[in-house]
Amino acid sequence: QVQLQESGPGLVKPSETLSLTCTVSGYPISSGYYWGWIRQPPGKGLEWIGTIYHSGSTYYNPSLQSRATISVDTSKNQFSLKLSSVTAADTAVYYCVRRGAFYYVAYWGQGTLVTVSS
Amino acid sequence: ELVLTQSPGTLSLSPGERVTLSCRASQSVSNNYLAWYQQKPGQAPRLLVYGASTRVIGIPDRFSGSGSGTDFTLTISRLEPEDFAVYYCQQYGSSPYTFGQGTKLEIK
Repeated sequence: QVQLQESGPGLVKPSETLSLTCTVSGYPISSGYYWGWIRQPPGKGLEWIGTIYHSGSTYYNPSLQSRATISVDTSKNQFSLKLSSVTAADTAVYYCVRRGAFYYVAYWGQGTLVTVSS
Repeated sequence: ELVLTQSPGTLSLSPGERVTLSCRASQSVSNNYLAWYQQKPGQAPRLLVYGASTRVIGIPDRFSGSGSGTDFTLTISRLEPEDFAVYYCQQYGSSPYTFGQGTKLEIK
């Protein structure tokens, strides 16, 4: 059973960089699939941030491409998100996910709320 | 960007009723690459259907997806108490891969 768990600071100051890590259990990232991040502002809808393959190949939502970086550490079975120059608009629950055969989400982490505030 | 519009925003229904949720796309969804998710308060979404009509293993057969092109629906044949939640559609036929704004099913 694939399980994903997000970790990282729950509070980030404006203009700083948001950093989150997802630890995967039950499946080696190096075995395949695309892994990624989706966010959901409080009370609002869902937004793909991007994905990464174990080889390092990435996809980013064009709206966030200039600020988002996703990386993978197969030795720790983890992948990470960095989002730079954050503002209050980046306040959201961030989910780490595993993609299905295409860009739908087969597995979700429980989500972690990140608040951007001074 | 392909925009998905879900209607209605909120539905008030009773257990046992049949419901059809609508998801309309601003342009044709490539290969009918459309998924449906259920989200309960404080939980992550759960995948119900992908490819417009393929139900995920373990999802009750009262859930069914249909549609093609720009018009898609999710039908729940007989509402159970645990079905009251927010439902999202998502297209993955063209980047950026977008979600609808959701339809909330609430108990009447």
